[in-house]
Amino acid sequence: LAKTTQPISMDSYEGQEVNITCSHNNIATNDYITWYQQFPSQGPRFIIQGYKTKVTNEVASLFIPADRKSSTLSLPRVSLSDTAVYYCLVGGAGSQGNLIFGKGTKLSVKP
Amino acid sequence: EAGVVQSPRYKIIEKKQPVAFWCNPISGHNTLYWYLQNLGQGPELLIRYENEEAVDDSQLPKDRFSAERLKGVDSTLKIQPAELGDSAVYLCASRQGPEGTEAFFGQGTRLTVV
Repeated sequence: LAKTTQPISMDSYEGQEVNITCSHNNIATNDYITWYQQFPSQGPRFIIQGYKTKVTNEVASLFIPADRKSSTLSLPRVSLSDTAVYYCLVGGAGSQGNLIFGKGTKLSVKP
Repeated sequence: EAGVVQSPRYKIIEKKQPVAFWCNPISGHNTLYWYLQNLGQGPELLIRYENEEAVDDSQLPKDRFSAERLKGVDSTLKIQPAELGDSAVYLCASRQGPEGTEAFFGQGTRLTVV
């Protein structure tokens, strides 16, 4: 499975747009990119998944360049409740394959 | 519909004692994962089941850890005997079959070994 690299931590203020970039240089052709969010004392929660270009849902956007060696999770207008750890995962979709987590990015949103 | 249910929520035991964690996945989810998470670290995969078959248990310390998923539904993770270093949060997650891409996690069991 492709290894991912993310910043350990990021700080932001309420109302700002936050972009968290993940590097995955060895991504395989059939790998998807998935982001999870984790609050303290809770299990991770799925945010968004994509394969290429741009994916948007009600929570976030995911930008994937043509070479797919990196991806950027974009959180629009963050609030205090977005303070959490964000994990980037790379692997096969569906029930094939394991979900391998790195250390994640700890996002702190300040008032 | 209920999500992934884990019990107990918290457990404190003395070292060398046995302990078991239980997981009830989302109905219809064939894939089940057990993870271990230390403070400040990402979840580490212990074992993955497809129905009742453990398809990847390469990271499970088999000298003291065991797991089962009878009938391909509920699962139990056991540690015997527990060591101080086993103190962590144990997470269970489930995922639908080939059509599913999102994994759902339970709240975890926080184990403290004293």
